[in-house]
Amino acid sequence: NAGVTQTPKFQVLKTGQSMTLQCAQDMNHNSMYWYRQDPGMGLRLIYYSASEGTTDKGEVPNGYNVSRLNKREFSLRLESAAPSQTSVYFCASSPTGEYGYTFGSGTRLTVV
Amino acid sequence: GQSLEQPSEVTAVEGAIVQINCTYQTSGFYGLSWYQQHDGGAPTFLSYNALDGLEETGRFSSFLSRSDSYGYLLLQELQMKDSASYFCAVRVNAGNNRKLIWGLGTSLAVNP
Repeated sequence: NAGVTQTPKFQVLKTGQSMTLQCAQDMNHNSMYWYRQDPGMGLRLIYYSASEGTTDKGEVPNGYNVSRLNKREFSLRLESAAPSQTSVYFCASSPTGEYGYTFGSGTRLTVV
Repeated sequence: GQSLEQPSEVTAVEGAIVQINCTYQTSGFYGLSWYQQHDGGAPTFLSYNALDGLEETGRFSSFLSRSDSYGYLLLQELQMKDSASYFCAVRVNAGNNRKLIWGLGTSLAVNP
């Protein structure tokens, strides 16, 4: 049971570079989420996808884009990385906005 | 606005009982969840309360009072492995969907 798989686990980017964080779930969940976690800030929602084919902005969407490629996959793209985007990024999924979110292991991103 | 408050830090000794409180101000409340996160790890789902009262799962219990906009997580027979951060999260409306509003987390240190 893989659950939610995120890649890569670690990444260092230079300011202005772009990258895509990948997320896939094998639990047949409808809803998927991208969060960032910074010290003292808790979990902040970047974007979410309530179901395949839909995406919506969360609390902190600026500087990010997402793609719900199919029911399994939900990617997060940084077009031009900035030091303020240094963070730990978590992907999560749930059956239908339900309470039991399953999280991936996270991507630790550093922008220098 | 919508907000959740929980203590930033709690310290207890092995074998003891500890209670982590969470008060919330949100609209469209559907339920209160608790998640555990060890250092360097991903959040994992612990419990969910949609109705008033106590839910028990092994050594962990969670309580909700909707009239008081208040809940707590009770950890009994504390073990060293319970040292982690604990987050409360409230399920609220998000257009036609639901999403979670997160507290900032409570860091629990269990000492021998």
